[in-house]
Amino acid sequence: KQEVTQIPAALSVPEGENLVLNCSFTDSAIYNLQWFRQDPGKGLTSLLLIQSSQREQTSGRLNASLDKSSGRSTLYIAASQPGDSATYLCAVRPRLPDSWGKLQFGAGTQVVVTP
Amino acid sequence: DAGVIQSPRHEVTEMGQEVTLRCKPISGHDYLFWYRQTMMRGLELLIYFNNNVPIDDSGMPEDRFSAKMPNASFSTLKIQPSEPRDSAVYFCASSRAGGPDTQYFGPGTRLTVL
Repeated sequence: KQEVTQIPAALSVPEGENLVLNCSFTDSAIYNLQWFRQDPGKGLTSLLLIQSSQREQTSGRLNASLDKSSGRSTLYIAASQPGDSATYLCAVRPRLPDSWGKLQFGAGTQVVVTP
Repeated sequence: DAGVIQSPRHEVTEMGQEVTLRCKPISGHDYLFWYRQTMMRGLELLIYFNNNVPIDDSGMPEDRFSAKMPNASFSTLKIQPSEPRDSAVYFCASSRAGGPDTQYFGPGTRLTVL
């Protein structure tokens, strides 16, 4: 069974530092991996989606890498800002029949960026 | 577009009562998902629909849980009877077939069963 792990569970950095968030998964048979952001009391917002054939995706200050063979993904947030404070979750879509939409989520990393 | 709409945002009920959560997906989206989020188990997929038809309900924890989608713009998740262990945040999400494999989440309903 696929397991998705995010370490650390919580992270605090001063404003301006780069953030590095880790996600690992046990089964490399995936279609894609997504990174989501969750603000307190709100739903999830998709940040980046990496297809299994891709190595990385970038959007503004965000860069996500994927090493499928080792079961790892890393989300980099450059020059962090207090507005980046949130919980970040990664999710994989298993490469299984009829798996469209059946995402498996990690528990998330809670990030606090201090001014 | 207003995004995915869920109601109520908060629900407090007593054990044994029936609870109904509501969701309006984004117009034009073909898929609708119901999730449950708890500290212990994280985010779990309960059930999802395609074109109003339930596709996979393997995540529904017990027969006390049921979900319906009578039309493309409305879905309900019902718990009867409710139990304290059902306390969680329930999210609804929708997505569009043929589009990127991205789901758009509602703000969630925080359910507390006393």
